[in-house]
Amino acid sequence: DTAVSQTPKYLVTQMGNDKSIKCEQNLGHDTMYWYKQDSKKFLKIMFSYNNKELIINETVPNRFSPKSPDKAHLNLHINSLELGDSAVYFCASSLAQSQETQYFGPGTRLLVL
Amino acid sequence: DAKTTQPPSMDCAEGRAANLPCNHSTISGNEYVYWYRQIHSQGPQYIIHGLKNNETNEMASLIITEDRKSSTLILPHATLRDTAVYYCILNAGGTSYGKLTFGQGTILTVHP
Repeated sequence: DTAVSQTPKYLVTQMGNDKSIKCEQNLGHDTMYWYKQDSKKFLKIMFSYNNKELIINETVPNRFSPKSPDKAHLNLHINSLELGDSAVYFCASSLAQSQETQYFGPGTRLLVL
Repeated sequence: DAKTTQPPSMDCAEGRAANLPCNHSTISGNEYVYWYRQIHSQGPQYIIHGLKNNETNEMASLIITEDRKSSTLILPHATLRDTAVYYCILNAGGTSYGKLTFGQGTILTVHP
């Protein structure tokens, strides 16, 4: 009965590969987010979707492409992985897109070799 | 680009109250003060939020000064499991579309 789940939990891959991280929420929320936490532990928002529509797109390389097949899912696809992409990626969801509590997933630890 | 300032670290004895300060002197009228915490690289966890009035829930209390330029998160009886990074965040909603801007936070260490 996990509220926000992510798969995989760990991802180790080679530079240049393409990988996807999946996120699902069973809270009935309309808005979902992707955050990145780098080695210095700074958490930064990457994307936000509301009802499958892209709302926030921070300065993120085009190699990162979010996809929301439905309100309960927000996947993150990364092309041509680089060493600097190594980080922990957190998915989150909230009831609506403003001033609502966000619920975070457990994170996906990506290591690019 | 966080709009809040927090001490980098604090210590607290188990069973005592932990008081975590946050300065947000440029807060706008429509911005709520939110507190989240992150325990050992888990996903951030919501604690409490408020606009003007003091708030209390089962986890903590939030005291906001009358001029709203600062606030204090109070964990009334800290336990070892409260050791975490605590983030004070302003959330305006509206055109920010719920974007949370995390700063460095305060590393709270609860010791026996």
